[in-house]
Amino acid sequence: GESVGLHLPTLSVQEGDNSIINCAYSNSASDYFIWYKQESGKGPQFIIDIRSNMDKRQGQRVTVLLNKTVKHLSLQIAATQPGDSAVYFCAERVGANNLFFGTGTRLTVIP
Amino acid sequence: GAVVSQHPSWVICKSGTSVKIECRSLDFQATTMFWYRQFPKQSLMLMATSNEGSKATYEQGVEKDKFLINHASLTLSTLTVTSAHPEDSSFYICSARTSNYNEQFFGPGTRLTVL
Repeated sequence: GESVGLHLPTLSVQEGDNSIINCAYSNSASDYFIWYKQESGKGPQFIIDIRSNMDKRQGQRVTVLLNKTVKHLSLQIAATQPGDSAVYFCAERVGANNLFFGTGTRLTVIP
Repeated sequence: GAVVSQHPSWVICKSGTSVKIECRSLDFQATTMFWYRQFPKQSLMLMATSNEGSKATYEQGVEKDKFLINHASLTLSTLTVTSAHPEDSSFYICSARTSNYNEQFFGPGTRLTVL
């Protein structure tokens, strides 16, 4: 199956700073990508998605960047807050097929 | 957004017993439902995919006779862990997808502990 990996398993940032979480994917045929946030003991929560025909998409305090040349995806969180502390997963999909999840990055926000 | 519920949220059972977990899409019709398993500090691993009225498609390595999946309606799927053993202890998460393939929603998960 596809391989979706994350560069860093943990990330600690000061409250108010910006966070950048990275993800590498291996399937060049993937055309849809999603970032999820998972808090302890809960299911994944949709954050933002991007299709392969875009290289940037912005949401509220979050931005996803897609670099298809190097098969890299990143999630930027502006003005990180304590409530942003969680594990973040990227996921990729080819067409209408299943989602494949990366290994996850634990973000810890230091007050 | 759309809501997916799971019941129970947690369950403790004895080894050898069977446990049923329900997954419901509350405000939309789910043409496809997915079951994932997540061990501590690991990612979500897809176990099976089910379409309403059809047999589930299991991922490699997942025993279909041990993890029984029923998707009887467009709003309900069940996962039954049969003859549960301690190694089946995990966090089970369901997901539902609408006919718009871009939208896939996750349930809150069910923590299964097998003693």
